[in-house]
Amino acid sequence: QVQLMQSGAEVKEPGSSVTVSCKASGGTFGAFAVNWVRLAPGQGLEWVARIIPVLGAPKNALKFQGRVTITADESTTIAYMTLRGLGSDDTAIYYCARESHGDPYYFEDWGQGTLVTVSS
Amino acid sequence: DIQMTQSPSSLSASIGDRVNITCRASQAISNWLAWYQLKPGTAPKLLISAASNLQSGVPSRFSGSGSGTDFTLTISSLQPEDFATYYCQQANSLPVTFGQGTRLEIK
Repeated sequence: QVQLMQSGAEVKEPGSSVTVSCKASGGTFGAFAVNWVRLAPGQGLEWVARIIPVLGAPKNALKFQGRVTITADESTTIAYMTLRGLGSDDTAIYYCARESHGDPYYFEDWGQGTLVTVSS
Repeated sequence: DIQMTQSPSSLSASIGDRVNITCRASQAISNWLAWYQLKPGTAPKLLISAASNLQSGVPSRFSGSGSGTDFTLTISSLQPEDFATYYCQQANSLPVTFGQGTRLEIK
């Protein structure tokens, strides 16, 4: 069973950037896609981006185009998400989630979540 | 993008009740559908994949059905630990999209 451990809570000013990390332990890292999903206060789950570590080729939701960068380092088994140009509506819990078995886009394993608060 | 519409948005029920949550996709997605359970302070939990495939360790009182555009999550006999928010998610194509959630509360 894969365990995903995320970095700690962040408080950021509007307009700044945040980087959240997600370290995988147990199981194979490179071949399985890592996704980022967020949950904003009073809102539902929202998919942000996806990467397959061994391939790269990140994909992201159109609303984050130009603001999000995701990477994955096979040597350290850590995935990263950087979100730039933060606004108050980016305040949310950000989860990494891994597709750990055969069919794509099913999120079997999740990190514990990282609360990002955007406030001046 | 494929839009996912859940109903109801909230539901009050009692221990032992049978409940159904429905999810409709804006276009046919075959059986590429997942259901997740979310409790405050915890990460989402995948309950069902491929519309009806119960994940390991998930109680058998949970079941899923449907294909094409219409799907249902059924909890056959509610237990105290089932009170949570449930989300459907289409796994047909990127961008992955979720329903707006159904909050299941104790009556």
